[in-house]
Amino acid sequence: KQEVTQIPAALSVPEGENLVLNCSFTDSAIYNLQWFRQDHGKGLTSLLLIQSSQREQTSGRLNASLDKSSGRSTLYIAASQPGDSATYLCAALSGNTGKLIFGQGTTLQVKP
Amino acid sequence: EADIYQTPRYLVIGTGKKITLECSQTMGHDKMYWYQQDPGMELHLIHYSYGVNSTEKGDLSSESTVSRIRTEHFPLTLESARPSHTSQYLCASSHPGGEDGYTFGSGTRLTVV
Repeated sequence: KQEVTQIPAALSVPEGENLVLNCSFTDSAIYNLQWFRQDHGKGLTSLLLIQSSQREQTSGRLNASLDKSSGRSTLYIAASQPGDSATYLCAALSGNTGKLIFGQGTTLQVKP
Repeated sequence: EADIYQTPRYLVIGTGKKITLECSQTMGHDKMYWYQQDPGMELHLIHYSYGVNSTEKGDLSSESTVSRIRTEHFPLTLESARPSHTSQYLCASSHPGGEDGYTFGSGTRLTVV
């Protein structure tokens, strides 16, 4: 059974820092891995989608990597800003069940 | 612009009322999903649909029901709302294989008093 874990559960950094959010999954049979942002009480906004055949994707200050063999993905945020404060969720699309399995999320606070 | 829409955004309703949460998408996706999320907690899949006239129960048991009469529309209904139904409900859609990722709506925050 696919399980997705995110570490840390919460993170507080000063503005301007570069930071890394971690996501691990137990079953390497995935179609893709998707990173989402969720502002408090709001819906999910897709940030980056990495297909199983890809190693990384970049969008602006965000870079996501995928290492299927080790069951890990990271989301790198460069030069963090207070507006980056949100909960970040990773989700793996299981190749066995076809279901999207979510991690518990990392809540990020960027202090001005 | 292709998107997925949920209405209402917020709903406060009394116990025993029947409610329908609306979800529509212009993404051209066949698969649609409903997730339930309590504050600060993880998402739980409660319903999904492969296409018109297809509905399936998700991983978390729910007293709600869904219908899929049109490809674009996937409403969720609670026949008799209870305080235990208070939660955020998120609708999503994807291509059948999920190869282009999932797209989520803005959510409906339901409060039953």
